Amino acid sequence: DIQMTQSPASLSASLGETVTIECRASEDIYSNLAWYQQKPGNSPQLLIYDANSLADGVPSRFSGSGSGTQYSLKINSLQSEDVASYFCQQYNNYPYTFGAGTKLELK
Amino acid sequence: QIQLVQSGPELKKPGESVKISCKASGYTFTDYAMHWVKQVPGKGLKWMGWINTYTGKPTYADDFKGRFVFSLEASASTANLQISNLKNEDTANVFCARSVGGALYWYFDFWGPGTMVTVSS
Repeated sequence: DIQMTQSPASLSASLGETVTIECRASEDIYSNLAWYQQKPGNSPQLLIYDANSLADGVPSRFSGSGSGTQYSLKINSLQSEDVASYFCQQYNNYPYTFGAGTKLELK
Repeated sequence: QIQLVQSGPELKKPGESVKISCKASGYTFTDYAMHWVKQVPGKGLKWMGWINTYTGKPTYADDFKGRFVFSLEASASTANLQISNLKNEDTANVFCARSVGGALYWYFDFWGPGTMVTVSS
């Protein structure tokens, strides 16, 4: 199975700040990577697919980048509604696997 | 609009069975595969497998072979997950999720709200 190592596990940032979350795959996943946002009590919502494509309706302050085994999610100008957990997911190989998540809080 | 509506929470005893449903609306059900994802409360996400909504063929992740069955009621645009011989470690929120992408490289663009399954004696 492909292991997805996500960091940091938690993050505290101020409104307006830029934050970056990293995800490292245990092998090359050829940009077959998605990022999801999950707010407490809700289901995950797709943010980014194919490593850097923004999903429909997602604000442009979210962006994804990376290739090979290293990927990142950047949130520019942090808003209060961005407080959530974030997960990466690889879909290059079965079984699809997720990172352990990053919990983003406001400072 | 696209919606996935799941059945309500379940409280079961070890050894019992449970069936969770996921009713899709707002799109052609058979055009998109349906996946199942497990989340232990406060923890991460684990992919359980998927079902081809056109052929009905299920594919299970290794950890979900044996006691887990994916099925369809295609005429009702509904996917089902049945878990038999429930164990305490099956306690989790279970999501259905529609997949998009191509050639088995799928990500999940719509998710159901989740069905909480609690297994306790």
